[in-house]
Amino acid sequence: AQTVTQSQPEMSVQEAETVTLSCTYDTSESDYYLFWYKQPPSRQMILVIRQEAYKQQNATENRFSVNFQKAAKSFSLKISDSQLGDAAMYFCAYRRGSGNTGKLIFGQGTTLQVKP
Amino acid sequence: DADVTQTPRNRITKTGKRIMLECSQTKGHDRMYWYRQDPGLGLRLIYYSFDVKDINKGEISDGYSVSRQAQAKFSLSLESAIPNQTALYFCATSGSSGTGSYEQYFGPGTRLTVT
Repeated sequence: AQTVTQSQPEMSVQEAETVTLSCTYDTSESDYYLFWYKQPPSRQMILVIRQEAYKQQNATENRFSVNFQKAAKSFSLKISDSQLGDAAMYFCAYRRGSGNTGKLIFGQGTTLQVKP
Repeated sequence: DADVTQTPRNRITKTGKRIMLECSQTKGHDRMYWYRQDPGLGLRLIYYSFDVKDINKGEISDGYSVSRQAQAKFSLSLESAIPNQTALYFCATSGSSGTGSYEQYFGPGTRLTVT
């Protein structure tokens, strides 16, 4: 069975600095997708970034980028120029590739504090 | 208007009561999911549905049941609520794999407290 592990329950960063959130996963599949979701105090789950396993290039969305290490089964999220609005819980999630249920497997979450 | 809505947003109920959480979507997606969020455990899948006639158990379905009344509506029921079902519940939708749509779109969540 696939598992996703976030080993950092809490992280903090100074405003305008860079922070990296860690995520590791375990799977025997070769076709899958990885996601980072943000959950602010409003509770809404917001998709931050997505990575297809078949793509070697790391995904980037504005200040958010990932370091996808397929062989190591590692998928970290880097937030550059951190802003107060980045304070939230962040979840790493895994989804098998095509022809499957589409269900997501989530990590435990990392709470990010941004200090002014 | 939100694409995925959940009612109620917050609910307090007593042990042994039956409660239904409702989810509606306007995204036209076939697939719908119910997740439960607990501190330190992330989100875990309770049930999922590919269409009104296709409902499947997730990893933690015991104590829950679901109904897919229409493509756009997917309800979660707790037949006899117990305190360890206190959690944040999310409904989500996604397109089928053939559409190339990979993301799941989440509702705003329902905070359920069982006393």
